[in-house]
Amino acid sequence: GQQVMQIPQYQHVQEGEDFTTYCNSSTTLSNIQWYKQRPGGHPVFLIQLVKSGEVKKQKRLTFQFGEAKKNSSLHITATQTTDVGTYFCAGQSKAAGNKLTFGGGTRVLVKP
Amino acid sequence: DAGITQSPRYKITETGRQVTLMCHQTWSHSYMFWYRQDLGHGLRLIYYSAAADITDKGEVPDGYVVSRSKTENFPLTLESATRSQTSVYFCASRSGTSGSLGYEQFFGPGTRLTVL
Repeated sequence: GQQVMQIPQYQHVQEGEDFTTYCNSSTTLSNIQWYKQRPGGHPVFLIQLVKSGEVKKQKRLTFQFGEAKKNSSLHITATQTTDVGTYFCAGQSKAAGNKLTFGGGTRVLVKP
Repeated sequence: DAGITQSPRYKITETGRQVTLMCHQTWSHSYMFWYRQDLGHGLRLIYYSAAADITDKGEVPDGYVVSRSKTENFPLTLESATRSQTSVYFCASRSGTSGSLGYEQFFGPGTRLTVL
């Protein structure tokens, strides 16, 4: 079945620095979504990418969908303490019955 | 606007007992989902429903039962709880017709279940 993997599992970042988390799917995706879960909270939708090579920005967050639609990345610039949480990518494809398959998440810790 | 709610928020039960987790959404979303979240495994789909009276298995359905008699409710029952079912359970919903892609999911606040 479809598998989605994320690396790294944990990311310790100094406040003000940049970092990137990566997401890789075992199959070609129709679209990919990103969610953020704050500590003790529930996942909240951030963005969706649909087109091959698509790049979207939300303030300090840049999301990219690979040309082959099998990988994605989230890049955060000038990390702030408000960025603390776990970031999940979730892929969707017709082959997988339109269900979202979540990656294991990248847990981000920010050092002030 | 209540959105999507789950009850109870916390539950402690014993091995072998039946437990039902409730999920209610006020948006009339067609799709509803149950996930469990365990450290190191991210979110794993247990069951989902495309509409009332239509349910299907996800990645980890064993030991769970669902029903959906009304669009707004999607209860999850653990027929005979086991310690391995200790987890945080999230319900989610989304709009869109059957087979549609690309709709964001809205998650409930979660139920933290401990099986002793």
